[in-house]
Amino acid sequence: EPEVTQTPSHQVTQMGQEVILRCVPISNHLYFYWYRQILGQKVEFLVSFYNNEISEKSEIFDDQFSVERPDGSNFTLKIRSTKLEDSAMYFCASRRSTSVNEQFFGPGTRLTVL
Amino acid sequence: SQQGEEDPQALSIQEGENATMNCSYKTSINNLQWYRQNSGRGLVHLILIRSNEREKHSGRLRVTLDTSKKSSSLLITASRAADTASYFCATGNNNNDMRFGAGTRLTVKP
Repeated sequence: EPEVTQTPSHQVTQMGQEVILRCVPISNHLYFYWYRQILGQKVEFLVSFYNNEISEKSEIFDDQFSVERPDGSNFTLKIRSTKLEDSAMYFCASRRSTSVNEQFFGPGTRLTVL
Repeated sequence: SQQGEEDPQALSIQEGENATMNCSYKTSINNLQWYRQNSGRGLVHLILIRSNEREKHSGRLRVTLDTSKKSSSLLITASRAADTASYFCATGNNNNDMRFGAGTRLTVKP
């Protein structure tokens, strides 16, 4: 069964460094999402992406964040200058089409900023 | 806010009992979905209910939606220890963008 994959599973970085989190959505899906979950807290929406552009973004998704679909299969989240409070699980998700259906989530990347 | 808010925050029951979790939201929705998350893992989709539906079943899961009260419930019947997880409701708008609640942590004791 097709699934969303994410790499790496765990990323440790120093404050101020740039990180790129990678996701490979399910191949025939058209809508892509990033969420984050700070330990023990709720899942927070970051950004949605369709047709090679951002559809919607939350107030968390400031100028330090960017997303890209560089090659038609990968979907990346870049954090330019990480802060301690960026430490969280980051989940990628994808959805098939414009009809109502569920989002399929990847296993997440745990980002630890030291 | 569109996002769902679950209650209770935590629920502990014995194996075999039923577990009921509730979700409330504030704005109009297109659909509402329930997800499960095992500790430290990703989210697994359980069930989706559209705004024009009132009840849906999937195996031991039963979901209700009352749009007049802006609330939904998830019932897990005959619970098992393996059902121990966090359960989140997520509300979907017309663009199918989802917003999650804080979740209910369910513990099923063997």
